[in-house]
Amino acid sequence: EVHLVESGGTLLQPGGSLRLSCEASGFTFKDYSMNWVRQAPGKGLEWVSYISRSSTNIYYADSVKGRFTISRDNAKNLLYLQMNNLRDEDTAVYYCARNLFDWLLVPLDYWGQGTLVTVSS
Amino acid sequence: EIVLTQSPGTLSLSPGERATLSCRASQSISGRSLAWYQQKPGQAPRLIIYDASSRATGIPDRFSGSGSGTDFTLTVSRLEPEDLAVYYCLQYGFSPRTFGQGTKVEIK
Repeated sequence: EVHLVESGGTLLQPGGSLRLSCEASGFTFKDYSMNWVRQAPGKGLEWVSYISRSSTNIYYADSVKGRFTISRDNAKNLLYLQMNNLRDEDTAVYYCARNLFDWLLVPLDYWGQGTLVTVSS
Repeated sequence: EIVLTQSPGTLSLSPGERATLSCRASQSISGRSLAWYQQKPGQAPRLIIYDASSRATGIPDRFSGSGSGTDFTLTVSRLEPEDLAVYYCLQYGFSPRTFGQGTKVEIK
């Protein structure tokens, strides 16, 4: 069974930095491209970032470009999101989600339970 | 980027009734690249439909999807109490992938 477990969410001040992790199990992690998707409190879903299975191709939403960095460690089955210069509007539950296939323009098939990041002074 | 507009915002129906949810795109989506997700309270989204009409693994056949171009529909033929959720559409025909704002399904 596919499992994705996010961690690292916390409360921090604007301008701060944070690294989120997502531990994958139940499938061959290195064979799938992965994403981060976020959901602000009471709001809808926003795709944040994508990384291909070999880390060759990486994409970001304009709202986080230049501030967030996605990476992965296939040996450890881990996905990361380094978040710098955080803003109030980055407050959200952050989900890691698997792509159905190793390609950018495909649906997300499995999601973790999410980790809450709160940015507030 | 492509904007997806979902309607209605909220749907209130009784068990056994048919639910029809709409997702309209700001431009034509190639290859019927449209998915539907179900998000129950306090849970992560769950894929129910992809490629506009293909059911994901384990999804009961009372869920069906249809449409092409700019207009897509998710139908739940006979609502059950556990279908209480917010339903989102996702387009993956163009980068960036974008979600609709969601339709909340309430069970009377």
